[in-house]
Amino acid sequence: DLQMTQSPSSLSASVGDRVTITCRASQGISNYLGWYQQKPGKVPKLLIDAASTLQSGVPSRFSGSGSGTDFTLTITSLQPEDVATYYCLNYNTARTWTFGQGTKVEIK
Amino acid sequence: EVQLVESGGGLVQPGGSLRVSCAASGFTFTNYWMSWFRQAPGKGLEWVAHIKQDGSEKYYVDSVKGRFTVSRDNAKNSVSLQMNSLRAEDTAVYYCARAPEARPSDSWGQGTLVIVSS
Repeated sequence: DLQMTQSPSSLSASVGDRVTITCRASQGISNYLGWYQQKPGKVPKLLIDAASTLQSGVPSRFSGSGSGTDFTLTITSLQPEDVATYYCLNYNTARTWTFGQGTKVEIK
Repeated sequence: EVQLVESGGGLVQPGGSLRVSCAASGFTFTNYWMSWFRQAPGKGLEWVAHIKQDGSEKYYVDSVKGRFTVSRDNAKNSVSLQMNSLRAEDTAVYYCARAPEARPSDSWGQGTLVIVSS
């Protein structure tokens, strides 16, 4: 079964810091990779699909990259409103989807 | 405005059954796959099931195969998840979401809580 390994599981950074979250697939998934943000008590929000396509309305400080097995979500300048848990999702053509374990982002 | 409203959650005993439903509005329902996700208390997100636009294809996570059934009624713009032989580990908030073809789910409902406990 395909596994998605996300790291780190949590991080604490200062406002303005650059934050990087990685997601590794146990097999190649092309670019069928999305990133979600879930703020405490809220519904998940899609930030990025196709590994690097920013959704409408998502701030440009968020970006995604990668293809195959290794993917990255970057926040170029962390803001207080970015406190959330971030999840990667593989949505491959076999129609079975797998999330990473999540990365909790906090402000130092 | 896209709206997805889940209903039907509640408390059920282990081994019991429950049906959760999702009413969709604000978009052309038949253009989208519909998915169910869940999130156990304090845990991460888990995809549960999908159903294709015309209902001809359905997919499930291994842990619910044979116990859960996803269905949709395109005339009523609704999707349901019939859950049988429920276990304590099925306790979670269940979300429905829409997904464009070959893309991840881009709109989610607010969720409905299912608690499996005696």
